[in-house]
Amino acid sequence: EIVLTQSPGTLSLSPGERATLSCRASQSVSSSYLAWYQQKPGQAPRLLIYGASSRATGIPDRFSGSGSGTDFTLTISRLEPEDFAVYYCQQYGSSWYTFGQGTKLEIK
Amino acid sequence: QVQLQESGPGLVKPSETLSLTCTVSGYSISSGYYWGWIRQPPGKGLEWIGSIYHSGSTYYNPSLKSRVTISVDTSKNQFSLKLSSVTAADTAVYYCARENWNDKGNWFDPWGQGTLVTVSS
Repeated sequence: EIVLTQSPGTLSLSPGERATLSCRASQSVSSSYLAWYQQKPGQAPRLLIYGASSRATGIPDRFSGSGSGTDFTLTISRLEPEDFAVYYCQQYGSSWYTFGQGTKLEIK
Repeated sequence: QVQLQESGPGLVKPSETLSLTCTVSGYSISSGYYWGWIRQPPGKGLEWIGSIYHSGSTYYNPSLKSRVTISVDTSKNQFSLKLSSVTAADTAVYYCARENWNDKGNWFDPWGQGTLVTVSS
């Protein structure tokens, strides 16, 4: 099982600032199999990034993904009020999926 | 546009079987894709349960495999989840989602709105 560890657990920032979220895997992950989701309270997760760096349809270009091997990053270049939420990374390997525990992005 | 909707009992007794159905609209399951179930205990993270292809081929999370059965009914454009011998630890919001894959990887999109299932006597 590949364990994904996200950091920090909580990130406190202000609108307009840059957010950097980390996802570290216990074993190397093919960069093709790393995705990021955003989840707001009471809502289902929403796909942001797949293939480590490809934005999903309709996702603003302030969201970007990068990384390879065991270290991946989600960057939000300039925070908008609607970006404050919980973010999850997800990997697929050896015929099963695992998710990170999430990073809560809160308004400072 | 593809939409998914979960349905089923919101309360299940311990040791019984949890049963949920996901109805897909805007896309025929018979046309392809894997379709998956993911759950989220209150206040916690996401856990993939398993997935099914329109042909009936399945694969499951090894930690749940002994208790999980996922099936598909293409005539109703639905797929279903059964989780046996439930305990309070199975209390969660259960989501269904379409599983996508290409040379860019594997991911879930879109998702249903989710349904809360509570295990309690």
